[in-house]
Amino acid sequence: AQKITQTQPGMFVQEKEAVTLDCTYDTSDPSYGLFWYKQPSSGEMIFLIYQGSYDQQNATEGRYSLNFQKARKSANLVISASQLGDSAMYFCAMRRYGNNRLAFGKGNQVVVIP
Amino acid sequence: NAGVTQTPKFRVLKTGQSMTLLCAQDMNHEYMYWYRQDPGMGLRLIHYSVGEGTTAKGEVPDGYNVSRLKKQNFLLGLESAAPSQTSVYFCASRTAGDYTGELFFGEGSRLTVL
Repeated sequence: AQKITQTQPGMFVQEKEAVTLDCTYDTSDPSYGLFWYKQPSSGEMIFLIYQGSYDQQNATEGRYSLNFQKARKSANLVISASQLGDSAMYFCAMRRYGNNRLAFGKGNQVVVIP
Repeated sequence: NAGVTQTPKFRVLKTGQSMTLLCAQDMNHEYMYWYRQDPGMGLRLIHYSVGEGTTAKGEVPDGYNVSRLKKQNFLLGLESAAPSQTSVYFCASRTAGDYTGELFFGEGSRLTVL
């Protein structure tokens, strides 16, 4: 079974600062994909970024980057230059290749303060 | 730009009543999923489908049934609602055979069972 762990308590971050959200996962499968989603207070789930287990480089999408450390089974999300609109819950998720299920962590709450 | 549409958005039920949540997607996706989201628990997979006429159990299937009679629709049924089924339900879909493919989510359906 795949297990995704997000254990940070709610985080407050100053506007324009960077914030790192921790995610560790547990799988014995060598082939998998990692995803991050954002859920603002309005409730919708917004896809942010994807990292494949065989990707040589860390994924980046605009202000989002993924610090992927395969040996540590870690896939931390970095948000640079935080904006007020970044206040949300952030979920890490993983899917093993050949498996149809996407499993989610419990989420990290981020509040950006002006 | 409909994407994934869930109906109803809100519903209040009494214990023992039945109801069906409808999910419709217009992206011609093969795979469809039902998740539930509870505070502090992240998203947990209830059932999923990899194609018309097929369904499979997820992590928390008890008390729910599903059907995928048409490719674009995925129905989630509660035959005898219980207070433990009070939750926010999300439907999602994605393309088949694309390991990097993210899930596209509906806006969620908030169900309260009294």
